Amino acid sequence: AQSVAQPEDQVNVAEGNPLTVKCTYSVSGNPYLFWYVQYPNRGLQFLLKYITGDNLVKGSYGFEAEFNKSQTSFHLKKPSALVSDSALYFCAVSRFSGGYNKLIFGAGTRLAVHP
Amino acid sequence: AAGVIQSPRHLIKEKRETATLKCYPIPRHDTVYWYQQGPGQDPQFLISFYEKMQSDKGSIPDRFSAQQFSDYHSELNMSSLELGDSALYFCASQGPNSDGYTFGSGTRLTVV
Repeated sequence: AQSVAQPEDQVNVAEGNPLTVKCTYSVSGNPYLFWYVQYPNRGLQFLLKYITGDNLVKGSYGFEAEFNKSQTSFHLKKPSALVSDSALYFCAVSRFSGGYNKLIFGAGTRLAVHP
Repeated sequence: AAGVIQSPRHLIKEKRETATLKCYPIPRHDTVYWYQQGPGQDPQFLISFYEKMQSDKGSIPDRFSAQQFSDYHSELNMSSLELGDSALYFCASQGPNSDGYTFGSGTRLTVV
């Protein structure tokens, strides 16, 4: 079975400061890892994914994430937060098996960036 | 670029009524996933289809059914609606040899 843990319900950051949103996962085999952002009453917007290759993945809007296999983590980072980054962030994992597998989401972390 | 289209965007139904939600995947995408996101919750996997056959099943109530048609669009049928079915329903599509999932904007169902 696959699962995702986002240990923080909310992360508060001052604008201009670096931000980190944490994610750890559990999956048998090789994981596909994703980050999505959701604004109020909106759909899920793709930020970035890790499939294979470099452990540091760069995505949309200046976000990046680092895959750490030994710690089974995939933390989302941004060097300088913007107020407009305030939203709900979901980490998700899928199990690669050569076929099609559902995404399992974490509980979400609400990011609040203060001016 | 074409995206995943869901209809309707909003739906209001009364208890015990029936609702049908539709999902049109990206052209040439053969796999569809359905998710339910309750207020303040993470998206929960309901069911998926690959090449018009059910490929996986999650926490989908027996009152719900779904299918994927020959043109690859999918419909989620919900009967005997309950207040607790009020949620945002997403579908996502995935293409052959694709490692990505593209989500639609969702259908917000409100049961009153």
